[in-house]
Amino acid sequence: NAGVTQTPKFRILKIGQSMTLQCTQDMNHNYMYWYRQDPGMGLKLIYYSVGAGITDKGEVPNGYNVSRSTTEDFPLRLELAAPSQTSVYFCASSYWEETNEKLFFGSGTQLSVL
Amino acid sequence: DQQVKQNSPSLSVQEGRISILNCDYTNSMFDYFLWYKKYPAEGPTFLISISSIKDKNEDGRFTVFLNKSAKHLSLHIVPSQPGDSAVYFCAGNSNSGYALNFGKGTSLLVTP
Repeated sequence: NAGVTQTPKFRILKIGQSMTLQCTQDMNHNYMYWYRQDPGMGLKLIYYSVGAGITDKGEVPNGYNVSRSTTEDFPLRLELAAPSQTSVYFCASSYWEETNEKLFFGSGTQLSVL
Repeated sequence: DQQVKQNSPSLSVQEGRISILNCDYTNSMFDYFLWYKKYPAEGPTFLISISSIKDKNEDGRFTVFLNKSAKHLSLHIVPSQPGDSAVYFCAGNSNSGYALNFGKGTSLLVTP
């Protein structure tokens, strides 16, 4: 049981380049999330999905796109990378235990846009 | 709009003593809260949670207290160990919300 797996762990992009951050989970969770964490800041929600085929915007969606074709995978796409997207990106999946939601995070992708 | 606030960026405690990490929230609709622990170069991991129907939840060395009237919660670690050195995030949500709201985190350093 690998949990939530993110690739790559590190990436440097030039301004205007595009890339896809991969995220896969093997816990059969319906809910998946993409967060970003800037230095000294908390985690901010980019996009989330409540199940295959369903996605919605979070707090900071501009400059990103997502898709959820399967329960396991939730890739995050950057189309035109900008320096403001330099951050650490965390993917997470969750399940509900009674009335509490438990999130499981991947180990993160550190992205630098230069 | 920061709905969950951790006003202490860092905290240093001696090994064996108590660590108290504080968290305030503004959204009165929040009905459950969680604490996550994060080591460098790793994702956050779940530590402990509390529902708004309780005022205390304990799990080994970790206890979370909730004061709903003050919109305040705290995480107590007793006794603190060097391996507890990490960044601790407080998070809150309501059952009708779509995602957790995280604070900025408090970096705890436990010194031998």
